[in-house]
Amino acid sequence: DAKTTQPPSMDCAEGRAANLPCNHSTISGNEYVYWYRQIHSQGPQYIIHGLKNNETNEMASLIITEDRKSSTLILPHATLRDTAVYYCIVRAINAGKSTFGDGTTLTVKP
Amino acid sequence: DTGVSQDPRHKITKRGQNVTFRCDPISEHNRLYWYRQTLGQGPEFLTYFQNEAQLEKSRLLSDRFSAERPKGSFSTLEIQRTEQGDSAMYLCASSFGGQRNTEAFFGQGTRLTVV
Repeated sequence: DAKTTQPPSMDCAEGRAANLPCNHSTISGNEYVYWYRQIHSQGPQYIIHGLKNNETNEMASLIITEDRKSSTLILPHATLRDTAVYYCIVRAINAGKSTFGDGTTLTVKP
Repeated sequence: DTGVSQDPRHKITKRGQNVTFRCDPISEHNRLYWYRQTLGQGPEFLTYFQNEAQLEKSRLLSDRFSAERPKGSFSTLEIQRTEQGDSAMYLCASSFGGQRNTEAFFGQGTRLTVV
């Protein structure tokens, strides 16, 4: 699996957009970008995934650069409940194993 | 609740004892995964099953660890002769496998404390 690099922590004001970056410069052509988040003492929660096109769902948007070497997860209107550790993972669609890094701790402040 | 269920949620055991955890995946999912997570770290992959077949095991899964999924439904993870270093959160997840592989859904985990 390709390695990902994320900043260890970020802050965001409540109501503002949170933009979480992820570098995955060694991503292979068949690898997707997945985002999960983990709120304290809970299991990770799936957010969104994509291959090369930008994706949007009810939780977030995923922007993948044209060269696919980096991506940004966007939470359009962050709330205090979005405070969590956010993990960016790259893996092939049919792969079994997911390799989590240490993620980005996002703190949403009032 | 049709999510991934793990039991127990918490387990305290004495060093040297054996422990067993259970995971019930989402019923239509054919893949089941086990991860371990220590404080401040991301989850580490341990093993996964497709139906009843164990397809991959991490080198983290020492001889003291064994996982089963006998009928392709629930799974158990057993740790024999527990050590203090086994203290961690053990997470189970499930997904569809094959060409329609989708995201994995995680359970709430079993927190193991070895004293």
